Amino acid sequence: GQQVMQIPQYQHVQEGEDFTTYCNSSTTLSNIQWYKQRPGGHPVFLIQLVKSGEVKKQKRLTFQFGEAKKNSSLHITATQTTDVGTYFCAAMFSGGYNKLIFGAGTRLAVHP
Amino acid sequence: GAVVSQHPSWVICKSGTSVKIECRSLDFQATTMFWYRQFPKQSLMLMATSNEGSKATYEQGVEKDKFLINHASLTLSTLTVTSAHPEDSSFYICSAPVLGGGTDTQYFGPGTRLTVL
Repeated sequence: GQQVMQIPQYQHVQEGEDFTTYCNSSTTLSNIQWYKQRPGGHPVFLIQLVKSGEVKKQKRLTFQFGEAKKNSSLHITATQTTDVGTYFCAAMFSGGYNKLIFGAGTRLAVHP
Repeated sequence: GAVVSQHPSWVICKSGTSVKIECRSLDFQATTMFWYRQFPKQSLMLMATSNEGSKATYEQGVEKDKFLINHASLTLSTLTVTSAHPEDSSFYICSAPVLGGGTDTQYFGPGTRLTVL
């Protein structure tokens, strides 16, 4: 079935260190989206990647979509304590009628 | 951005009772809404796609008769957990897509935390 693998499951970093989470699908994706969920909260949309090889930046966050549109990554430069939360990729498959399939998420802990 | 609300935000019920959760799009119309379930420290699992004016589409393994979905208007979808049991305790979240403009953004409701005693 349609699924997307996300690693790592957890990441502990010191404030100021970088952080990366990866998502991978065996099937070509229509697009991939990234969400952040704070503890006790709901997922908040960060970005959508549509084009092959696309790279988007939001301040310290860099999002990439692979050339084959099967993998994606989120990289945070110089993490801050405000970056704490769980980051989910969510894949939209062709013919999926806007249905999102979420990765398992990467929980980020930032130690001051 | 677009706003999606959910009601109630939390509910505690006795085993065997039914619970209704509402999902509303406040400033846009949503012909489609999605219902997810999230267990503690786990990812969001899509349960069903709610379609305005027609039957919901359920994901594999989700019991249609247990999780009743009604999408009676362009701004409201409801999920009813029938004959709830403790294993149904979870965080239920709805979302609605806002299409067009080059981005198919999903806006999520704040979630409903269900505890079944």
